[in-house]
Amino acid sequence: DTAVSQTPKYLVTQMGNDKSIKCEQNLGHDTMYWYKQDSKKFLKIMFSYNNKELIINETVPNRFSPKSPDKAHLNLHINSLELGDSAVYFCASSRTQGGASGAYEQYFGPGTRLTVT
Amino acid sequence: DAKTTQPPSMDCAEGRAANLPCNHSTISGNEYVYWYRQIHSQGPQYIIHGLKNNETNEMASLIITEDRKSSTLILPHATLRDTAVYYCIVRVIQGAQKLVFGQGTRLTINP
Repeated sequence: DTAVSQTPKYLVTQMGNDKSIKCEQNLGHDTMYWYKQDSKKFLKIMFSYNNKELIINETVPNRFSPKSPDKAHLNLHINSLELGDSAVYFCASSRTQGGASGAYEQYFGPGTRLTVT
Repeated sequence: DAKTTQPPSMDCAEGRAANLPCNHSTISGNEYVYWYRQIHSQGPQYIIHGLKNNETNEMASLIITEDRKSSTLILPHATLRDTAVYYCIVRVIQGAQKLVFGQGTRLTINP
């Protein structure tokens, strides 16, 4: 079974549309993240949720709204899509306490390639 | 901003050891060194982490200098599947800390 899954894998849409990307993890982790990788391949954190509570919110336009219905899911909704939103979006999860090794490493999903035309 | 410096690219022959350096001269006492890699078009993958002792797992070895200002990731017998971008990241271990990715090192394993 896939540890961190994202849907869809590819998303092509027009400017101005609203779209959502879904993420699910089956690792029992308490924290989930969204990262964005732009055309220059730089990976940057966008949001993080711990037990459904927003704990990291980088400088991201208000058009991006994460939603966490439960600990295993973190969805990303984007309103009024713009050309500059084209990127690969990665979801990740980690444990933040109670791990045996204490590594708290983050596990990443396969990514969603968003193309805005 | 990333607190690490890595060479932008390296080459290594298949079957040889790949040694990837990382400079983190401003590392704090409570910060760990983490290594991730990203194989083309995939999500980043955790490799190994350490504080001050050398570490080894099934994927790689991590050598951290005594002053902790630099480290080296060693892939003992590189294969073509190890071709990827390797990221060295320093971070505290507690809590939901974001990973700050730099440019990484693009490692190419040649047959």
